[in-house]
Amino acid sequence: GAVVSQHPSRVICKSGTSVKIECRSLDFQATTMFWYRQFPKKSLMLMATSNEGSKATYEQGVEKDKFLINHASLTLSTLTVTSAHPEDSSFYICSALSEEADTQYFGPGTRLTVL
Amino acid sequence: LAKTTQPISMDSYEGQEVNITCSHNNIATNDYITWYQQFPSQGPRFIIQGYKTKVTNEVASLFIPADRKSSTLSLPRVSLSDTAVYYCLVVPSTGNQFYFGTGTSLTVIP
Repeated sequence: GAVVSQHPSRVICKSGTSVKIECRSLDFQATTMFWYRQFPKKSLMLMATSNEGSKATYEQGVEKDKFLINHASLTLSTLTVTSAHPEDSSFYICSALSEEADTQYFGPGTRLTVL
Repeated sequence: LAKTTQPISMDSYEGQEVNITCSHNNIATNDYITWYQQFPSQGPRFIIQGYKTKVTNEVASLFIPADRKSSTLSLPRVSLSDTAVYYCLVVPSTGNQFYFGTGTSLTVIP
């Protein structure tokens, strides 16, 4: 099946710093990628849709200046959490849309802890 | 967007067949149904996808009645490693945004 990777898998940072998370589709090209966050014992919540070569589309309530998304190539999207605070601590998961399979394949997730 | 309703949790003994039913009363004509499995601290893994009737792959079957207002994921002969959360999603034909519901937490008991 299609493989999506994320880096880093786990990151701990101090409050006020910025953290960048990478999402890569390893064996297919993805015009569209998605970013989710998931709190403990909760379901995944869609944050934004990342489109290659254009601006991301954010879900209602998600601050676009707080969560910067860049989709510079057909295999890479990045999420930067700017000026992170403890409440941003969460599990961030990306997915890539496979047009061939017409479904999304998910990355393994990134655990962010803000101290 | 069609909302989905699933049981919050289910228990099953090893070796049994498990059926998880999802209700999606407001499914649109061109929507299709997708199921994912998620283990703790991992991203969801695609299980199966279908539009109508029955779909089967190497890990599961998906049954969709004619009115498409529900669907049932069938896992044959579950093992302890099938303990996970299972999400049913109704996916629009355009846009492809996924909005996850609560999922069903399946616990397989020895």
